[in-house]
Amino acid sequence: DVQMTQSPSSLSASVGDKVTITCRASQDISNYLAWYQQKPGKVPKVLIYAASTLQSGVPSRFSGSGSGTDFTLTISSLQPEDVATYFCQKYNSAPRTFGPGTKVEVK
Amino acid sequence: QVQLQESGPGLVKPSGTLSLTCVLSGDSIKTDNWWSWVRQPPGKGLEWIGEIFHSGTTNYNPSLISRMTMSVDKSGNHFSLTLRSVTAADTAVYHCARATGYCASASCRYFDLWGPGILVTVSS
Repeated sequence: DVQMTQSPSSLSASVGDKVTITCRASQDISNYLAWYQQKPGKVPKVLIYAASTLQSGVPSRFSGSGSGTDFTLTISSLQPEDVATYFCQKYNSAPRTFGPGTKVEVK
Repeated sequence: QVQLQESGPGLVKPSGTLSLTCVLSGDSIKTDNWWSWVRQPPGKGLEWIGEIFHSGTTNYNPSLISRMTMSVDKSGNHFSLTLRSVTAADTAVYHCARATGYCASASCRYFDLWGPGILVTVSS
């Protein structure tokens, strides 16, 4: 099975900072990758699918890139409401594995 | 408004069977979407459990395949999860979710709708 890793596992940044989270697949998954945001006590919400397509209604400060095995989620200007854990997920085939998550905090 | 809602017992005894149902409202389960279960142990990450199509076709997580069964009830517009021989490691919030497609390939689907989740604790 394809394994998903994320780095860093947590980060703390200031409001307005650019934040980058990396997700790596153990095998080529093309662009079949989604990013989810989970705020404390809430349900995950999709931000990005197909590695770089912004889900409708998601702020444009979120962007995704990558293909194959290496992917990136970028928050161009961190906002207080972006405090959350971010998960990547590969969905090209079963099992549709999630990454372990990256916890983002605001300084 | 399309919604998913999980239901089932919040407490299951070790070695027992966990049975959950997810009801879809506001849409038909007989669409091109796949219907999934995802769980999250307290304070931990997300684990994909499995998925089912309205035809009854399923895909399961290999780590759980020997203990699980999923089914769909088209007339009741709901789908279900059964997990047998549970242990404390199965304690988690269980979410049902809709996997929606964006291209013709069966690979092109991601989770765009989630149920609020139900906490299931395995304890005697």
